[in-house]
Amino acid sequence: AQSVTQLGSHVSVSEGALVLLRCNYSSSVPPYLFWYVQYPNQGLQLLLKYTSAATLVKGINGFEAEFKKSETSFHLTKPSAHMSDAAEYFCAVSEGLDFGNEKLTFGTGTRLTIIP
Amino acid sequence: EAGVAQSPRYKIIEKRQSVAFWCNPISGHATLYWYQQILGQGPKLLIQFQNNGVVDDSQLPKDRFSAERLKGVDSTLKIQPAKLEDSAVYLCASSSGQWGQTGELFFGEGSRLTVL
Repeated sequence: AQSVTQLGSHVSVSEGALVLLRCNYSSSVPPYLFWYVQYPNQGLQLLLKYTSAATLVKGINGFEAEFKKSETSFHLTKPSAHMSDAAEYFCAVSEGLDFGNEKLTFGTGTRLTIIP
Repeated sequence: EAGVAQSPRYKIIEKRQSVAFWCNPISGHATLYWYQQILGQGPKLLIQFQNNGVVDDSQLPKDRFSAERLKGVDSTLKIQPAKLEDSAVYLCASSSGQWGQTGELFFGEGSRLTVL
């Protein structure tokens, strides 16, 4: 079974500072990896995804993530935090993209707080 | 394009009572998922439908939970009888037949259940 581990349930950064949210995966096959964001009282929204193409993936709102097979990591970064980035972020893994195995397994989430 | 609709948004019940949640996916999306999100945890898949057939219900507690997707469109998730540990947000998500290309699930805002 595949899984993801998010290090740090809460992260606080100052406005304008670097955002780094950590995600490590466990997989016996090449994984497909995702980052979703959840704003208060809203559903989850896709930020970006890795599906075995380029290892550096760019997403919405200035976020990006790099797939590092040697480190089994898929950390999410943003060069300069904005107040509107305050939300909960979930890393997720899929067993594949074919019918029947496109289910997502989520990590426990990281709550990002932005300090003015 | 209308998003995934869920109702009710909030429900409070006593233990051993029953509750039902409704989900209407994005028009044309063949695949529908129900996830359970307990406070402080990531979403956990309960059941996946492809049209009106069940693809995966291995993590659905079938002694108390049931779900159906008649006519392959909207879906209902029922809990009877409810336990205290069922307190959670129940998320509905859908994906198109092009999931293999997009890798994106579209989530509703969720139904928050409190069992007293």
